[in-house]
Amino acid sequence: DAKTTQPPSMDCAEGRAANLPCNHSTISGNEYVYWYRQIHSQGPQYIIHGLKNNETNEMASLIITEDRKSSTLILPHATLRDTAVYYCIVLINYGQNFVFGPGTRLSVLP
Amino acid sequence: GAVVSQHPSRVICKSGTSVKIECRSLDFQATTMFWYRQFPKKSLMLMATSNEGSKATYEQGVEKDKFLINHASLTLSTLTVTSAHPEDSSFYICSALISGSSDEQYFGPGTRLTVT
Repeated sequence: DAKTTQPPSMDCAEGRAANLPCNHSTISGNEYVYWYRQIHSQGPQYIIHGLKNNETNEMASLIITEDRKSSTLILPHATLRDTAVYYCIVLINYGQNFVFGPGTRLSVLP
Repeated sequence: GAVVSQHPSRVICKSGTSVKIECRSLDFQATTMFWYRQFPKKSLMLMATSNEGSKATYEQGVEKDKFLINHASLTLSTLTVTSAHPEDSSFYICSALISGSSDEQYFGPGTRLTVT
């Protein structure tokens, strides 16, 4: 079973920030939080990952709570092309297979 | 970023035939590759872990004699669906782990298999 829970779906207006939450209350100290997304009929695309510090790259920001039991993926200016299923995954950082939950289906609306 | 390709992207075959799907890491070596299956509107389910030069490790419920996996080189893993049935119709996705790195897995674009 996936170790994370996410809302099944979210809407976001184009140009606005999309904030996608993820709960991982059973995360252990050496497990990372990874975010991937899957656009319809394509393979998953890596977005970002982190351990306990907040992370930012050209695609998104990852905010991890101090107790590490939850995190939020932020797409600062969502576009229509960001419509996808977003998966939050936790695993130890040495090449484990990913366990995908159902993810959050983000719909960016014009 | 690293690129993983799959071939073919789509395939239609008749029941009882076998289909081979290739997964290649184009610009890096991958000692480990993973094979996933995804049914419509469902999440990805891991089928097996493929390690170069050794036998694949299959997840519970996945028939190793039906889904043959070969990882003969550091850049190629193949999945062969033998004696395909309509219920094998699915989206098959591979991912590759860069050798010597454990930060990111790179996923292929997927192969849509339809068995008629």
